Amino acid sequence: NAGVMQNPRHLVRRRGQEARLRCSPMKGHSHVYWYRQLPEEGLKFMVYLQKENIIDESGMPKERFSAEFPKEGPSILRIQQVVRGDSAAYFCASSPPQGVNEKLFFGSGTQLSVL
Amino acid sequence: DQQVKQNSPSLSVQEGRISILNCDYTNSMFDYFLWYKKYPAEGPTFLISISSIKDKNEDGRFTVFLNKSAKHLSLHIVPSQPGDSAVYFCAASISGNTGKLIFGQGTTLQVKP
Repeated sequence: NAGVMQNPRHLVRRRGQEARLRCSPMKGHSHVYWYRQLPEEGLKFMVYLQKENIIDESGMPKERFSAEFPKEGPSILRIQQVVRGDSAAYFCASSPPQGVNEKLFFGSGTQLSVL
Repeated sequence: DQQVKQNSPSLSVQEGRISILNCDYTNSMFDYFLWYKKYPAEGPTFLISISSIKDKNEDGRFTVFLNKSAKHLSLHIVPSQPGDSAVYFCAASISGNTGKLIFGQGTTLQVKP
């Protein structure tokens, strides 16, 4: 049973380019979450999605960031016109659909570097 | 506004001794608390959790204590092993806010052989 899969592991972009980060949840999990970790800080919640629905995007920056979790395929976190401040580790997590289980299973993350 | 704080950036202990990692929170609405362990270049891994209706939860070498009146929790690891060396994150949530965990800044634990 594969864990949460994220790709790419490392992504280098120049300022103004677009970054696309992918996440496939664990088998049987229908809830996906994106977190961001800036250097020397803890993880910060960005967005919570279920299939074809954004449930909570209260942690997403108002501009340039978007997320989706289509009916088929992985969840995508998209950052348009990247700036140096977007450099961070982006972690995806998933959880099963039932219960009040707050335990999340995290992927290994995508390290985004903006030059 | 840091709602979950880990005031010790690092901790060093000798193998076999007890490691105590501390965490403070400010939001009294938090009712579920978790500890995650993170190795370099990997994602956080769930370690242990505790509901606010309890004051202690134990799993093998790991015990989490919750003091609601002080808004404080701690993770005890005994005996500590070199493989425990990692960054430990405390996290808190409010029931119903599924998946929205508020993390502390992390404490780097080094267990010396």
